[in-house]
Amino acid sequence: DTAVSQTPKYLVTQMGNDKSIKCEQNLGHDTMYWYKQDSKKFLKIMFSYNNKELIINETVPNRFSPKSPDKAHLNLHINSLELGDSAVYFCASSQPQGTEQFFGPGTRLTVL
Amino acid sequence: GQQLNQSPQSMFIQEGEDVSMNCTSSSIFNTWLWYKQDPGEGPVLLIALYKAGELTSNGRLTAQFGITRKDSFLNISASIPSDVGIYFCAGQTLYGNKLVFGAGTILRVKS
Repeated sequence: DTAVSQTPKYLVTQMGNDKSIKCEQNLGHDTMYWYKQDSKKFLKIMFSYNNKELIINETVPNRFSPKSPDKAHLNLHINSLELGDSAVYFCASSQPQGTEQFFGPGTRLTVL
Repeated sequence: GQQLNQSPQSMFIQEGEDVSMNCTSSSIFNTWLWYKQDPGEGPVLLIALYKAGELTSNGRLTAQFGITRKDSFLNISASIPSDVGIYFCAGQTLYGNKLVFGAGTILRVKS
């Protein structure tokens, strides 16, 4: 009964490739998020969707494109991967206004 | 942009000791949250605080929302080995729906 799930758990790829990370939540939440955690463990929000609509778009390269097919799913597609994209990416969800956010287990992306 | 200053950066304590960590900001926050992250996992919410001055407990954990709304602390009493992990504070402004995270406090417990 995983609340927020992400696939894959690990992703190793070459520079220049395109990859996607999938996220699903079964909490019935309307709002979903993508965060990036760097090597120093700093967590920074990238995107937020509310009921399939983009509401937060931090300063993220446009190589990153979130897609929300329905309010239970928020996928992250990354084009032309770069070395600096290596990080752990977390999906999260909450009720609208985002006070209590529930995080997925993370996807560790390594770009070689 | 808004920043949270979390301290200490890391702690290495003896099992059974009490632990205290805090977050401060130059900005006012409407909500303070404390999360714990175990290795290889996502952050898990420990305590949420919604009112200035609020003091909330969750088992051996106690957190307070500072009266100025610019700070919060988390105490862990009688630490045990499974308390090991990274503790993050996070703040949310009144009209924003994004969380701003502190840099984390790494807790190690010596048994």
